[in-house]
Amino acid sequence: QAQLVESGGGVVQPGRFLRLACEASGFTYSSYGMHWVRQVPGKGLQWVAVMWYDGGDKYYADSVKGRFIMSRDTSKNIVYLQMNSLRIEDTAVYYCASERDGMDVWGQGTTVTVSS
Amino acid sequence: EIVMTQSPATLSVSPGDRVALSCRASHSVSTNLAWYHQRPGQAPRLLIYGASTRASGIPARFSGSGSGTEFTLAISSLQSEDLGVYFCQQYNKWPPYTFGQGTKLQIK
Repeated sequence: QAQLVESGGGVVQPGRFLRLACEASGFTYSSYGMHWVRQVPGKGLQWVAVMWYDGGDKYYADSVKGRFIMSRDTSKNIVYLQMNSLRIEDTAVYYCASERDGMDVWGQGTTVTVSS
Repeated sequence: EIVMTQSPATLSVSPGDRVALSCRASHSVSTNLAWYHQRPGQAPRLLIYGASTRASGIPARFSGSGSGTEFTLAISSLQSEDLGVYFCQQYNKWPPYTFGQGTKLQIK
């Protein structure tokens, strides 16, 4: 059964960094697009970034471009989101999701709180 | 950026009701439109992709229709587990992928 598990969230001061991880099991994520989507509790969904199948093409939302970086470790079936220069407005639950037809597998989310 | 607008924002419903949720795109997205359902405290779950194709394991009471800029998600006979928030999302022109703001189904 396909499953994604995020980790790495926490409380961090503005300007600092965090690295989120998304571990895939039950499928090989390198055959899919992998997204990060965030959600402020009680609010809507905001797409953050995507990495495509071969890992070469990555795209980011304007709000995180230049600060966030997606990468992967294919040997471990893990996708990462390196979040640098964090801002208060980056506070959210971060989900990873795989895309084959639509975002069909989602993790449970990991919470990032940026606060002084 | 394609802006997705959902209506209504909130819908009060009863079990057994037939429900129709609307999603409008600011520019044509062809049929590159997905619907998701999110229960409180849970991750979103894919219901529909390609505007009208049910995802694996999704009950037949869910159906999607539309193309271009106007889309509808219908639930033929509402069950209690269908409560929560529904989001539409376009994947025709990206980045960015964009979501609607959501429609909340609540008990009447």
